[in-house]
Amino acid sequence: NAGVTQTPKFRVLKTGQSMTLLCAQDMNHEYMYWYRQDPGMGLRLIHYSVGEGTTAKGEVPDGYNVSRLKKQNFLLGLESAAPSQTSVYFCASSGLAGSITGELFFGEGSRLTVL
Amino acid sequence: GNSVTQMEGPVTLSEEAFLTINCTYTATGYPSLFWYVQYPGEGLQLLLKATKADDKGSNKGFEATYRKETTSFHLEKGSVQVSDSAVYFCALRVNNNDMRFGAGTRLTVKP
Repeated sequence: NAGVTQTPKFRVLKTGQSMTLLCAQDMNHEYMYWYRQDPGMGLRLIHYSVGEGTTAKGEVPDGYNVSRLKKQNFLLGLESAAPSQTSVYFCASSGLAGSITGELFFGEGSRLTVL
Repeated sequence: GNSVTQMEGPVTLSEEAFLTINCTYTATGYPSLFWYVQYPGEGLQLLLKATKADDKGSNKGFEATYRKETTSFHLEKGSVQVSDSAVYFCALRVNNNDMRFGAGTRLTVKP
């Protein structure tokens, strides 16, 4: 029972390098989200998707891009990493049924360090 | 805007003590309210939720009541255990693409 799976779990980058985080969910959920978690700030929404082929900006989208080519996958890209992007990144998904009453299901997180 | 404010931690309690973590919110419309828990090295998982005023969510001995008049959703547990040590997040959801989280409260329970 995989749920939401994120890869990689850990990554260290140098400033200016690029990378992609992959999120996969096996629950046939319509909605998918990328959050970042920083100490004392809770979780902040980076980008989200309401269905295959659609993406939208969240609260803190600058420096990130996303793609949702397949319903089950949601990719988060950093084109030119900066130290301010050092964080723990969480992917989440949510089904269409229940709308705002429904919970989000989270992956285990990806810890990214930018030197 | 929509936001959640929860009590700052860390909170340290002895086993079997009573727990309260305060959470208040600001929202347009009628949000659903959630408490999530994050154990070390893991993602967030739903602890309980309430979707309308006066609803009480409960799970694993934890409770929270949706108070519209005070815009609050305080988390309580009568007798905490060491295994309850974790970070607790209050959250609200006003639409499908907007789940707002509080800053989190770290709870440590000592034997």
